[in-house]
Amino acid sequence: DQQVKQNSPSLSVQEGRISILNCDYTNSMFDYFLWYKKYPAEGPTFLISISSIKDKNEDGRFTVFLNKSAKHLSLHIVPSQPGDSAVYFCAASVGTASKLTFGTGTRLQVTL
Amino acid sequence: NAGVTQTPKFRILKIGQSMTLQCTQDMNHNYMYWYRQDPGMGLKLIYYSVGAGITDKGEVPNGYNVSRSTTEDFPLRLELAAPSQTSVYFCATATGGYGYTFGSGTRLTVV
Repeated sequence: DQQVKQNSPSLSVQEGRISILNCDYTNSMFDYFLWYKKYPAEGPTFLISISSIKDKNEDGRFTVFLNKSAKHLSLHIVPSQPGDSAVYFCAASVGTASKLTFGTGTRLQVTL
Repeated sequence: NAGVTQTPKFRILKIGQSMTLQCTQDMNHNYMYWYRQDPGMGLKLIYYSVGAGITDKGEVPNGYNVSRSTTEDFPLRLELAAPSQTSVYFCATATGGYGYTFGSGTRLTVV
């Protein structure tokens, strides 16, 4: 039972354009959501998070949107840069001090 | 500041052998986790610990054991390696509320 789903295994975007990565969840108890970025041969690194009391959180070029009624969140990267090419994992938890459930990841390729 | 250190980085095991994957952190975080990542899959939680002396099973604990005698160390033990345990293993720590800090991973192949 995959509680956190990333239905797009890969995404290709031109440099300078917007990248939109999507994530759906099924567990209505989840109230804290995070995005992680992973380069090959490295561990995932924390990118941005959002709590269920918000519907948007911004950090520089990265914005996460949360739609609780649809159980859907998305990560927007504007403008996309070649260094953003990586695998992005969506994750969710019940409470902030709890174990995370991860999606299967989306590989983003930003082309010149 | 090393953060989370995992050793070894790579290992090939024969079926039935045993080994310990080491994880050490210098951030004084209470929470520690072991995940495995299989190709095309997300990270699956194996075991976790909320503090020294306390461990609990995650989603896929079969075939593994852990211990947490100190805040810093959280080793993962494979007793009888099986091909299904071929994976990349990540250790992570957290202090709660700010996401995880991951190690760089151990790539294990069981042949």
